[in-house]
Order: sequence, then structure tokens, then C-alpha cells
Amino acid sequence: GAGVSQSPSNKVTEKGKDVELRCDPISGHTALYWYRQRLGQGLEFLIYFQGNSAPDKSGLPSDRFSAERTGESVSTLTIQRTQQEDSAVYLCASSKGGQTNTGELFFGEGSRLTVL
Amino acid sequence: KQEVTQIPAALSVPEGENLVLNCSFTDSAIYNLQWFRQDPGKGLTSLLLIQSSQREQTSGRLNASLDKSSGRSTLYIAASQPGDSATYLCAVRTSNTGKLIFGQGTTLQVKP
Repeated sequence: GAGVSQSPSNKVTEKGKDVELRCDPISGHTALYWYRQRLGQGLEFLIYFQGNSAPDKSGLPSDRFSAERTGESVSTLTIQRTQQEDSAVYLCASSKGGQTNTGELFFGEGSRLTVL
Repeated sequence: KQEVTQIPAALSVPEGENLVLNCSFTDSAIYNLQWFRQDPGKGLTSLLLIQSSQREQTSGRLNASLDKSSGRSTLYIAASQPGDSATYLCAVRTSNTGKLIFGQGTTLQVKP
């Protein structure tokens, strides 16, 4: 597609349920990022994938959070046993990656998660 | 540890004014710096990207400057319009393969 696509755009779930959020990066972009943005706050880094390298998981807040990426395409962020503090907008971004590109990031519209 | 700060947190100006948004970072060893715009309930739109070797970038009424030695970047908006009302975020990247570290943003309101 032309831009980064995320689904669902909105998700309401009950505390304790598992959720999956999906990100389709821009075609040809090897780098993919997940960020979290709580209401009224800045962007919090979660995880970064670059090609076939081991992902940078340093931002994942707990072992309830995990993410996978299939090759250089779709990524899924999974939150297990959701808690109310997980309520936030989850933003995905992609960039071309590699040594000679500018490293400019392009973001999707986000998935708004509400945990009741 | 890299930290990014944006001042002011909020700004309100009348239409037509020229204005400057500030971004500072604690570690001058950056790869690039990117300015974004975020409208309420939306994702981020990339405005300008400045590589570490560059001093400024321009796009239309926007001009972003970078002074690595002092750890500062500014976003200059000329002849502001109500449509410029949004939150402006700056983010720095410390390597080609690294994550972006974001400031908290400046929320701009341009009054007609």
C-alpha cells in the first residue's frame, strides 16, 4: 500500500483478555517500529525490527507484551492478560533501513486500545 | 541516555505570526533529527528530516535548523494559519539502525 496500515483502528476489550494489533508497513521498508502513546503523553518506544537482525525489544514494558514480524512485511503486537494501564494508542512506523537511506520514519494512524 | 525536551509545551498565537518551536537533546552524537506533526486522534505526519551533517531543511513555510554542538533544533513556521494547529514533535535517532527518541511535543493553537 501507499502508507503504513494498522488494524484495528479501535479496540475495546475487557481486563484479562488478550489482544492482537496488526501493522502493514510500506512496501520495501525493512525497518518497523512499535510505539505506545498514552492519553496526553509522548511516544514510548516498544520494539524495533530491522530486516533479519534480532529485534530490539528493550522498550517492551512487561512479558505480557510480545511482537512478531514475518520477513519484511506484516507485524503483530500481542498483549496478553490486558490491564487498564495498557489503554493507549499503539503506533506503528516503518522506514527503508540500510546504510544509505535517510532513515525517515513514516507512521500509521494507530490502533486505539481501551481496556475496561 | 539520550533525552529530548520540547519547550514550550503549549503555544497560542494569532493567525499570521511567525513562530519558533524549540527542541533540545542531551547527547550531540545523533544520526538525524525528525520533526512531526500530530493532529488530534491521528498518527504522525513527517514534516522535515535533518541529517547530522546538515544545518537546516526547508519545506514551504517550514524551516528546521540543527545545531548539534549545542544540542538544539528549531522549527520555524512562517505566516501561521489556523490549519497549522496541531502538536509538533521532534525526535532524534542516534544511529542508522536505532530507534527514534521523542520529545513530549508542543501543542500549537493558531487563532483566526
